[in-house]
Formats: sequence, C-alpha cells, structure tokens
Amino acid sequence: NAGVMQNPRHLVRRRGQEARLRCSPMKGHSHVYWYRQLPEEGLKFMVYLQKENIIDESGMPKERFSAEFPKEGPSILRIQQVVRGDSAAYFCASRDQGTSGNTIYFGEGSWLTVV
Amino acid sequence: QQQVKQSPQSLIVQKGGISIINCAYENTAFDYFPWYQQFPGKGPALLIAIRPDVSEKKEGRFTISFNKSAKQFSLHIMDSQPGDSATYFCAASYGGATNKLIFGTGTLLAVQP
Repeated sequence: NAGVMQNPRHLVRRRGQEARLRCSPMKGHSHVYWYRQLPEEGLKFMVYLQKENIIDESGMPKERFSAEFPKEGPSILRIQQVVRGDSAAYFCASRDQGTSGNTIYFGEGSWLTVV
Repeated sequence: QQQVKQSPQSLIVQKGGISIINCAYENTAFDYFPWYQQFPGKGPALLIAIRPDVSEKKEGRFTISFNKSAKQFSLHIMDSQPGDSATYFCAASYGGATNKLIFGTGTLLAVQP
C-alpha cells in the first residue's frame, strides 16, 4: 500500500529556471496539500486541492507559484523563475474525503536548491 | 489567531528520562490536535492525536495531555530512547472546508545514551 509519493526527491535549479514538483497521493485519497519547510523552520501551509479544484491557496505566494491536481495524474507544484529564497523542502500530504480530523499523511518531500 | 506556539525549541534528555514538549493555541475553533515526528531528510509522520473532548490520550510511551480551558496541549515521551531523537511538531486544525493543519515551529529532541 504505497504512501504519498513525491518526485523528484532532490532538485537543483539555477536562478530564473522553473521547478516542477510532483505528488501522487495515497491510493484512494482525493485531497492534496502542499507545505513548505524552510531550513530550521516549521511547515507552512501553501495550498489545498481536490481533483481539478483549488480549494484554499491562502498560503501560496501571489507570484511565480501555482498548483494543480488534474483529473488524471499527480498533483503538480510549479515554481517559475526560482530565486534563492525558494530553496526549501516541499512536502505533499494527502487524506481521504470525510469528516474533519482525518489523518493527513505526508510524503518524503522534495528538496529544492536554487543556486 | 491561527498560530500554534511550541516550546522549547530544543531539548536534551537522558536515556530513560521524560521528554515534555508544550504547545498553545488561540483559536477555540480548533478541534483536532496531532503530533508529528520528523527525522532528518524525511517527511513528518503522525505520532499521536487528540480531540478536545478528552484530557489525555496514551499510546505506548507517548501521551498527549490536553487542557481546553488553558488552550494548551503537551506531548510526553516516557522512557525516552536515543531512537526518539527527532524533530517534533504539534499542529492543530478545524473542520471547515480544508482541514488544513497549522503547525508549531518544532522541537528538536536529542536523547543522550
């Protein structure tokens, strides 16, 4: 029973390039979250998606960042024109539909380094 | 209102001792309080969680104590082991449309042999 799968695990990009992070939720899960963890800091909520819908993007920077969760395929977090401050670990998490408090399962993360 | 404050930032405990990590919140709408454990280079993993209708929950060596009136909750690790050395995050969420977790800033626990 595969968990939340993220790839790539590590990604190096030069300033100005695009970073594309992928997340496949746990089997049967239709809710996906993206969190960012800066070095020595906690996890900050970025966006919450259901299939084909962005439900809450209150934590997403207004520019350069976008997310999608298409009907088929993984969820994608896209960062355009990366800057050094984007260097962080990006975690995807998923849960199944249902009442509040359902366990949210995290992936192993994608570590982005901008040089 | 959306913050979860966690302390201490770091903690050193001797093997066999008790590790205690505290969290406080403001938003009384929060109704779910999990603790996550994270090892270096790994994702957070759910350790134990509690709802505000109970004051304590125990799972093995891990116990959550919850004080609704004080809006505080804590994680106790009994008989701490070197393998418990990790970063621990408290979190809180409420239903609404998202169930998103609001995390504390984390506590780096080192258990010395």
